[in-house]
Amino acid sequence: DTAVSQTPKYLVTQMGNDKSIKCEQNLGHDTMYWYKQDSKKFLKIMFSYNNKELIINETVPNRFSPKSPDKAHLNLHINSLELGDSAVYFCASSRERPGNTIYFGEGSWLTVV
Amino acid sequence: GQQLNQSPQSMFIQEGEDVSMNCTSSSIFNTWLWYKQDPGEGPVLLIALYKAGELTSNGRLTAQFGITRKDSFLNISASIPSDVGIYFCAGQEAAGNKLTFGGGTRVLVKP
Repeated sequence: DTAVSQTPKYLVTQMGNDKSIKCEQNLGHDTMYWYKQDSKKFLKIMFSYNNKELIINETVPNRFSPKSPDKAHLNLHINSLELGDSAVYFCASSRERPGNTIYFGEGSWLTVV
Repeated sequence: GQQLNQSPQSMFIQEGEDVSMNCTSSSIFNTWLWYKQDPGEGPVLLIALYKAGELTSNGRLTAQFGITRKDSFLNISASIPSDVGIYFCAGQEAAGNKLTFGGGTRVLVKP
C-alpha cells in the first residue's frame, strides 16, 4: 500500500487552464506538504498544512490554492496555468512534532504547453 | 530563501568505489536528513540525524551531523550500480517541519 499517493502522475495541459492534483496519505500523519521540483531538480517547499490549517506559504502565486478537506488529504489547485508552472509537484506528510521524518509521494509531472 | 550548498553537483562512480558528498549551511539546523531520488520517483529517506556530532549508518551508507550543526556528510562504501540516482541533503529547523533542500548530487556510472 502506498503511504503517500498523488494523482495524476502525469498531466499535460494548455496555458490558461485550471488543474488540480490530489494527494492522500494513509500514515495517520497530522502535517502535509506540497513541494515543487524544477527542471534543475531543485526542491522547494510551497505549502504546509497541519490538521487542515495552513502553516507555511512560501510566497507562492495566488494562482496556487491548496485545499485540505481532512488531515489525510491535501489537494493542490492551480488556476490560469503558465508555462513556468511546468515542474514536478511532490506531496509529502509527517507527524506534527518538528524533527519527524517527512515522507514523499511519487510526484506529479505537470507540463504546460 | 535559505539554501544548502551541496557538493559535488555530480560524480561518476565505478563499482566498488567509496563516494562522499556533503552539505553546508550558513544557518543552524536541528535535524539533517539524506534522501535519494530515483528517476520518476519521489525522494526516499536514507538517514536521519538528530544530534550534533551524531554518526549513523544504514547498510553501506554512513552520515554525520556536523558539530557546528551547519553541515553534514554522506558516505557510500563499495558502491554498486543501483546507487545511481540523485542524493539530497535536507535541513530542518527547530520550529516547524519545513525542510530546506540542497541542490542534489547526481551519482552516475563511469562509462
